[in-house]
Amino acid sequence: GENVEQHPSTLSVQEGDSAVIKCTYSDSASNYFPWYKQELGKGPQLIIDIRSNVGEKKDQRIAVTLNKTAKHFSLHITETQPEDSAVYFCAASRGAGGTSYGKLTFGQGTILTVHP
Amino acid sequence: DAGVTQSPTHLIKTRGQQVTLRCSPKSGHDTVSWYQQALGQGPQFIFQYYEEEERQRGNFPDRFSGHQFPNYSSELNVNALLLGDSALYLCASSSYSGAQLYGYTFGSGTRLTVV
Repeated sequence: GENVEQHPSTLSVQEGDSAVIKCTYSDSASNYFPWYKQELGKGPQLIIDIRSNVGEKKDQRIAVTLNKTAKHFSLHITETQPEDSAVYFCAASRGAGGTSYGKLTFGQGTILTVHP
Repeated sequence: DAGVTQSPTHLIKTRGQQVTLRCSPKSGHDTVSWYQQALGQGPQFIFQYYEEEERQRGNFPDRFSGHQFPNYSSELNVNALLLGDSALYLCASSSYSGAQLYGYTFGSGTRLTVV
């Protein structure tokens, strides 16, 4: 089955710096890659996603890049703020086609700490 | 517009007991997926319900079962609880259009502690 590896497990940055989290996936049929932010006591919240027909997507301070050949994708957060401190998860899915029905396989998570 | 709601928020059960967790999907969503998130880990897929049937299942034993009702709400049942079942149980709802996945939204989860 699909396996998603996420690095680093912890990341500490100063406010205003950039943060980069990387994930690799094993299933070449995966075509949907969301990123989630999870704060203490809450469920994962979708912050950005990318589909396999796109190489890069941006939303204000957040961007995601996808390299299908290498089977890896990355989350980039610029101008980090203390409110960005949380656990971030990447995930991969075959989408809703065939027998996949959108099952998500998650990475292990990255604890991001932004110091004021 | 309410998002995905789960109940209860916290639950303590004794080993060997049975538990039922509940989920109401976001308005307009017809599919419910359940995930187990152990402490310090990413969520693991348990199963998914669509049109009141289990459509896909992850690597979880038969002690884990579910149900979806005509109003799209869902229940997760776990029998013969083990200490290792202690986790945050997440419900996610979504809808499909043209074989594309839309609106995969998580609830805040139910924290289950087995003692």
